[in-house]
Amino acid sequence: GDSVTQMEGPVTLSEEAFLTINCTYTATGYPSLFWYVQYPGEGLQLLLKATKADDKGSNKGFEATYRKETTSFHLEKGSVQVSDSAVYFCALSDPRNDYKLSFGAGTTVTVRA
Amino acid sequence: SQTIHQWPATLVQPVGSPLSLECTVEGTSNPNLYWYRQAAGRGLQLLFYSVGIGQISSEVPQNLSASRPQDRQFILSSKKLLLSDSGFYLCAWTTGPWEQYFGPGTRLTVT
Repeated sequence: GDSVTQMEGPVTLSEEAFLTINCTYTATGYPSLFWYVQYPGEGLQLLLKATKADDKGSNKGFEATYRKETTSFHLEKGSVQVSDSAVYFCALSDPRNDYKLSFGAGTTVTVRA
Repeated sequence: SQTIHQWPATLVQPVGSPLSLECTVEGTSNPNLYWYRQAAGRGLQLLFYSVGIGQISSEVPQNLSASRPQDRQFILSSKKLLLSDSGFYLCAWTTGPWEQYFGPGTRLTVT
């Protein structure tokens, strides 16, 4: 079945540092890929998405490229801020599977001033 | 615009008591609806999903059940709560192959 593996945290960074969170997936079809963010005590918000190979999703300075050859969707941001402290989830959606989302375990990121 | 509501926001219940969590969606029709649970410090586990009124699929056999009495209403229930039912419960919806939209969540503590 479909699955997502993302790098384990926690990750602690200083402001303006570069952030990378690795995400790889396994799927039998052609999934869509997502990064969600969860701020403390809140639900999940979509951060960015990519729906086909080589698509690049971007939002709020974050980017991720859908790499079919390496089955990866790594999240990057060039200069993090304290407000980026959150839990980040990589996920995939298989249209042949009622659009159910398969999530990675989440990566906790803490940015210090 | 579409919005999703969940209530209550927080709940403390004793072991063995019943549970009813409600999720409603506004501004869309015939959505797919989902219930997820997030245990402390862990990822999200899909519990139930529904593609239409009265249609419920269970992902994980457990102490919980779900119902969809109306197109945009999704209810999560239990007859007798267990300690292991504690967690953060999230409802989500979608109408297509793209992203799901999540509600604010209900934090359940079973004591």
